[in-house]
Amino acid sequence: LAKTTQPISMDSYEGQEVNITCSHNNIATNDYITWYQQFPSQGPRFIIQGYKTKVTNEVASLFIPADRKSSTLSLPRVSLSDTAVYYCLVGASKAAGNKLTFGGGTRVLVKP
Amino acid sequence: DTAVSQTPKYLVTQMGNDKSIKCEQNLGHDTMYWYKQDSKKFLKIMFSYNNKELIINETVPNRFSPKSPDKAHLNLHINSLELGDSAVYFCASSPGQGSYEQYFGPGTRLTVT
Repeated sequence: LAKTTQPISMDSYEGQEVNITCSHNNIATNDYITWYQQFPSQGPRFIIQGYKTKVTNEVASLFIPADRKSSTLSLPRVSLSDTAVYYCLVGASKAAGNKLTFGGGTRVLVKP
Repeated sequence: DTAVSQTPKYLVTQMGNDKSIKCEQNLGHDTMYWYKQDSKKFLKIMFSYNNKELIINETVPNRFSPKSPDKAHLNLHINSLELGDSAVYFCASSPGQGSYEQYFGPGTRLTVT
């Protein structure tokens, strides 16, 4: 199983860019990397997914180096509403059931 | 309309009891999941279910059993509840096993006393 490691918490200020790195040293060839956001008392919400290099959507960017042993979620110009826990998920594309491994989550606090 | 719904939202029960949590998705997805989130906020997958194929996380006690009456529902039955079962349980769905854009329900907070 791909074990993932994330920082426990990060503080930032409104308007800044937040970068959260997830380490997954034993990622397998078929594993994708997915990031989720979770607010208190809610279920996680999908942010972005990638396999290699860079992926960008309307809310975030995901940077994956060539060795794929880590990935960095980048949140541009955060606002107070981005305060949440962010999870990195590494898993295989087929029969993923028991192969999905969430990181411990990074609590991001955005200050005014 | 709620995409993935769970009932009940809160469940308080005593040790040894048997309980069920229901999950429904109206997204037409083929795969559904159950996750457990403990007090330290670690999210751990328990089951995934796709087209009658059940994949079980080997660490899940056999007191837990998912039951799917149809593609839109995946219920979780728990027998002989223990104190350590207290957690928030999330149901999720995705278009298929190859997709990790999972849609999560609001969670069910289970407290065993």
